[in-house]
Amino acid sequence: AQTVTQSQPEMSVQEAETVTLSCTYDTSESDYYLFWYKQPPSRQMILVIRQEAYKQQNATENRFSVNFQKAAKSFSLKISDSQLGDAAMYFCAYRSANAGGTSYGKLTFGQGTILTVHP
Amino acid sequence: DSGVTQTPKHLITATGQRVTLRCSPRSGDLSVYWYQQSLDQGLQFLIHYYNGEERAKGNILERFSAQQFPDLHSELNLSSLELGDSALYFCASSPQEGTSGLPNEQFFGPGTRLTVL
Repeated sequence: AQTVTQSQPEMSVQEAETVTLSCTYDTSESDYYLFWYKQPPSRQMILVIRQEAYKQQNATENRFSVNFQKAAKSFSLKISDSQLGDAAMYFCAYRSANAGGTSYGKLTFGQGTILTVHP
Repeated sequence: DSGVTQTPKHLITATGQRVTLRCSPRSGDLSVYWYQQSLDQGLQFLIHYYNGEERAKGNILERFSAQQFPDLHSELNLSSLELGDSALYFCASSPQEGTSGLPNEQFFGPGTRLTVL
């Protein structure tokens, strides 16, 4: 079974600064997808960024980028020019690409990292 | 707004009771997923339906059941409720498999907060 670990329960950053959230995962599969979701106080789950394991190039979405290290099974999220609206719980998630598996579609989440942004 | 709707937003009930949570996926999405978020267990996958058929099952209790109807909306039924069932229940949907776009991206609804007293 796949597991996702976020070792930082809480992180803080000054507005306009850069912060990196860590995520490691364990899997025996070679093809999968990785995601970062944001959960603000409203509790809505919002997709921030996604990465396909077969792609070597790290995904970027505006101020958000990832450092995907497949061999190390590491998937960190970098938030540049942090804004007050970035304050939220961030979840790293794994999804198998095996359409025939018994857990097809399942997102496996880490424990989450609470990000505080100081003005 | 993700386009996924869930009703009710809040539900307060007593132990031993039965409740039904409802989810309407985004227009055109055939897949519906249910997740439970609790303080103890974090975010956990419960079940996945695709076009009316069960595709995958997670750590869903036998007291819980789900179905997806021909109009693609889904219901999660929770029975013999216990205090530990208090949680935020999310529904998510994703596009039809094999289509262009992001078939592997799941769009989450706002959740139903269940409180069991």
